[in-house]
Amino acid sequence: ETGVTQTPRHLVMGMTNKKSLKCEQHLGHNAMYWYKQSAKKPLELMFVYNFKEQTENNSVPSRFSPECPNSSHLFLHLHTLQPEDSALYLCASSPGGGTEQYFGPGTRLTVT
Amino acid sequence: QKEVEQDPGPLSVPEGAIVSLNCTYSNSAFQYFMWYRQYSRKGPELLMYTYSSGNKEDGRFTAQVDKSSKYISLFIRDSQPSDSATYLCAMSHGGYNKLIFGAGTRLAVHP
Repeated sequence: ETGVTQTPRHLVMGMTNKKSLKCEQHLGHNAMYWYKQSAKKPLELMFVYNFKEQTENNSVPSRFSPECPNSSHLFLHLHTLQPEDSALYLCASSPGGGTEQYFGPGTRLTVT
Repeated sequence: QKEVEQDPGPLSVPEGAIVSLNCTYSNSAFQYFMWYRQYSRKGPELLMYTYSSGNKEDGRFTAQVDKSSKYISLFIRDSQPSDSATYLCAMSHGGYNKLIFGAGTRLAVHP
């Protein structure tokens, strides 16, 4: 595997379900990110991790819970989501400094 | 006022045309400027990265930054149908990790 990988690529879940999104980067980077991309809106930064420590939480509702066990892996745990949470969730990584970010293919999430 | 403004398009051009994509921004502290290309159902791919004002060229792509006007551009020469995608501008003041994105411009290059 190369670059940034994400699983699953597609996810349909009910409002009462619990699921997790997984991201893995094979670039040797120190920082990892979760973004939300909704139709016709700019990418919204959700969380930032540097060297496994969370350095940014962009006022994300608690029904989204990130986890970063090491610099290569990032998870987004989901529970009791709302239909408006349906979107493409993108993971990215960057070397220290963060201005060059590399994205994974995303998980297309549909909440029913 | 949004920090970064980008015309959503769609922009439709014939193959071989020169394409100009633009973003304006309001925060004069931005110093790092990027262009990403996003194909349908894929993640954004970093195309161009520039620091401060000036031009940067890479093959058929040229990125231009005019900090005095708070305006950045991406030019695509000899456009190809494979260039059909959404192009996102992004910028940062260099504060650790924070990128601000435009909403993206959809480009269609028809044969």
